[in-house]
Amino acid sequence: KNEVEQSPQNLTAQEGEFITINCSYSVGISALHWLQQHPGGGIVSLFMLSSGKKKHGRLIATINIQEKHSSLHITASHPRDSAVYICAVSLHSNYQLIWGAGTKLIIKP
Amino acid sequence: DAGVIQSPRHEVTEMGQEVTLRCKPISGHDYLFWYRQTMMRGLELLIYFNNNVPIDDSGMPEDRFSAKMPNASFSTLKIQPSEPRDSAVYFCASSSLFFNSPLHFGNGTRLTVT
Repeated sequence: KNEVEQSPQNLTAQEGEFITINCSYSVGISALHWLQQHPGGGIVSLFMLSSGKKKHGRLIATINIQEKHSSLHITASHPRDSAVYICAVSLHSNYQLIWGAGTKLIIKP
Repeated sequence: DAGVIQSPRHEVTEMGQEVTLRCKPISGHDYLFWYRQTMMRGLELLIYFNNNVPIDDSGMPEDRFSAKMPNASFSTLKIQPSEPRDSAVYFCASSSLFFNSPLHFGNGTRLTVT
């Protein structure tokens, strides 16, 4: 079992839909990162959070430390949101980041 | 702020040749990371530096790989000799603190070894 699991692996939705991507982890963490990778490869850090909720524009990230679960939400989705969304966790015990496999999101116009 | 700058964006080389990838981190960031991304293995941490000092290179695949950070504004990742299995996208990232700071990634270098 992977220590960081994302779901779904692939998600296709229509423009305007509310999107939720989930990340579950099985280890103690100091922080959780959400990143976005567009076709063509660039990686952008969206959020880094260790508790609660953060919002940036149409993106919202939440984390429940007790349940070891985080969600990334996109409101009013747009085709330009099409990308791979990656969850990664920083461990308490060392410096390593453990990466989820990513969720490939396609938003159709 | 120009962000993390990597060069070249694309590199195509023949097996056996030396390859040097370059990275300029964000000014003031103390940590610099080199990652490799492949379809099979996803993102792998190769090495990271703190204040120009290599802290852990256990992710470096083998002795053909080496990385240096001669000053706070420049790092290189060198592969000598290169092999086709080294073909991947290599990302450099920097952050101001390790544990609780966002990572800032460069645009990556797509390496193809034929």
